[in-house]
Amino acid sequence: GQNIDQPTEMTATEGAIVQINCTYQTSGFNGLFWYQQHAGEAPTFLSYNVLDGLEEKGRFSSFLSRSKGYSYLLLKELQMKDSASYLCAGTSGGSYIPTFGRGTSLIVHP
Amino acid sequence: EAQVTQNPRYLITVTGKKLTVTCSQNMNHEYMSWYRQDPGLGLRQIYYSMNVEVTDKGDVPEGYKVSRKEKRNFPLILESPSPNQTSLYFCASSKQQGNYGYTFGSGTRLTVV
Repeated sequence: GQNIDQPTEMTATEGAIVQINCTYQTSGFNGLFWYQQHAGEAPTFLSYNVLDGLEEKGRFSSFLSRSKGYSYLLLKELQMKDSASYLCAGTSGGSYIPTFGRGTSLIVHP
Repeated sequence: EAQVTQNPRYLITVTGKKLTVTCSQNMNHEYMSWYRQDPGLGLRQIYYSMNVEVTDKGDVPEGYKVSRKEKRNFPLILESPSPNQTSLYFCASSKQQGNYGYTFGSGTRLTVV
């Protein structure tokens, strides 16, 4: 599986922009997922990047650089409800079974 | 409604008493997987299945068994639970390939005393 690394915790202010970074092993890499998980709930799918570049979905965007083994999730116009854990997950080899990082806990304060 | 259904949501049991956590999906997905989530360790894969009768070990398979006799069901079996298996468990399913991502069940919080 993949070796995923992401920061443990980040804080940001309501209305601001925050970037959550994720690095992974490039060997055999297929693609990279981002999930959101609120406390006590199941993770929910945000995005999946296979190609280099930025993909935008409303307030959330995800970026991938395959050559650098690097991705980020960009959250704009932060809202209090965005306080959650954000999970980076990579797939490699012949399957699309993701290996998850430990998650980044994002705290949005007024 | 498309969903992954896990049961039970909460379970407290004693060491050594066999238990099964059920998982069922109604989306005709090929891929299914079990994860456990512990504070500071994130989601760790226990077992996964890429189709009926095909199962493989994930990163932390010791002490667990699974079976995939039907496409929709993927039960997790703890033959002799121990306290270190106290955790939050998630079942998830996905289409075989592509950018669909996993759909997760609501989770099972297991406590082994």
